[in-house]
Amino acid sequence: DVKVTQSSRYLVKRTGEKVFLECVQDMDHENMFWYRQDPGLGLRLIYFSYDVKMKEKGDIPEGYSVSREKKERFSLILESASTNQTSMYLCATSRGEPQDEQYFGPGTRLTVT
Amino acid sequence: GESVGLHLPTLSVQEGDNSIINCAYSNSASDYFIWYKQESGKGPQFIIDIRSNMDKRQGQRVTVLLNKTVKHLSLQIAATQPGDSAVYFCAENGEDDKIIFGKGTRLHILP
Repeated sequence: DVKVTQSSRYLVKRTGEKVFLECVQDMDHENMFWYRQDPGLGLRLIYFSYDVKMKEKGDIPEGYSVSREKKERFSLILESASTNQTSMYLCATSRGEPQDEQYFGPGTRLTVT
Repeated sequence: GESVGLHLPTLSVQEGDNSIINCAYSNSASDYFIWYKQESGKGPQFIIDIRSNMDKRQGQRVTVLLNKTVKHLSLQIAATQPGDSAVYFCAENGEDDKIIFGKGTRLHILP
């Protein structure tokens, strides 16, 4: 079974803080994704990566950056957290093709105060 | 622009009845569609997918129907059980083959 883990289930940060959300997968998947999930808006793609050191902007990349130094780890960075970044953050992975099934982590609920 | 949406945000179904969750999509070029289930406190989990060269696909207790003429996708769950209580998302492949998710439908199971 694919296992996708996220570093924290719940996180509370203050406005202006730098925030790191970590995602690790154990199935040697090529593709990794970061989404945020908000009530009434569904899942929105922030950034994704199809290979190590490769990153592509999703639909809402503003205020975020990512890092993929190793194949199994994909980090989402909030350089200066703001209250409108309070959300559920979901990491996902898939094999090689963009259309392959995505496997999701349990999510990190981030609150920015 | 592209969008994937659901007709109803919440659906209540009697235990044992069949559930039908509907989804409309706008990109006629989409050729791959997926249904995900998200239980409380968990990430979404793949249920079933369908490619545009098919109009029906069956899994275990689930069936996905695709009507390309009206750009409509549905998920049917047979003999709904309490464990089916979740939010269900449809998704399609958008530009550059990125997966675009709908807003979700919450399925409530009535005893």
